[in-house]
Amino acid sequence: GAVVSQHPSWVICKSGTSVKIECRSLDFQATTMFWYRQFPKQSLMLMATSNEGSKATYEQGVEKDKFLINHASLTLSTLTVTSAHPEDSSFYICSASTSSNPNNEQFFGPGTRLTVL
Amino acid sequence: AQKVTQAQTEISVVEKEDVTLDCVYETRDTTYYLFWYKQPPSGELVFLIRRNSFDEQNEISGRYSWNFQKSTSSFNFTITASQVVDSAVYFCARGTGRRALTFGSGTRLQVQP
Repeated sequence: GAVVSQHPSWVICKSGTSVKIECRSLDFQATTMFWYRQFPKQSLMLMATSNEGSKATYEQGVEKDKFLINHASLTLSTLTVTSAHPEDSSFYICSASTSSNPNNEQFFGPGTRLTVL
Repeated sequence: AQKVTQAQTEISVVEKEDVTLDCVYETRDTTYYLFWYKQPPSGELVFLIRRNSFDEQNEISGRYSWNFQKSTSSFNFTITASQVVDSAVYFCARGTGRRALTFGSGTRLQVQP
């Protein structure tokens, strides 16, 4: 089956620093990747949608200058949390889909747990 | 926004009991997909099932079964003879086309030995 990886699986950083999270589709070309955020004991909330080679589309309330998304290749999307603060501590999950899949399936990565001190 | 509602925040059962997790969704689309995911403490989402809106057949997979009722916009999930390993948070989700999924708030299931 299709595999999506995320790196790192967890990260701890100091307030004010930037953190980059990678999302990779290992055995298929991901034309679209989605970034979700999940706060403790809450549901997954969509942050942004990124299509390869295009600018990401952000959901209302998500600061595009703070959460930089790059989808420069068909197998890699990155989310950079700039000037991270404790309130950005969360579980970040990506999912990927491909236009060649007739079933429109999305495949989720294992998530990245970010803790900002 | 078209919501997905999981009214049960937390359910606690004793091992071997049957348990049903409810899911009600809103949609204005003719074609859509419904999903159930399991999220154990590790956090990784485990895919359980995907249902096309055109297919209302109920499905059974081992101890798991799903009841899809378009008339009531529900997609309920039943675990038969629950086990401790079933303890997790379960999410119902809805998707359309190539857009992101909309998740319910999740139901935390605790199965006591």
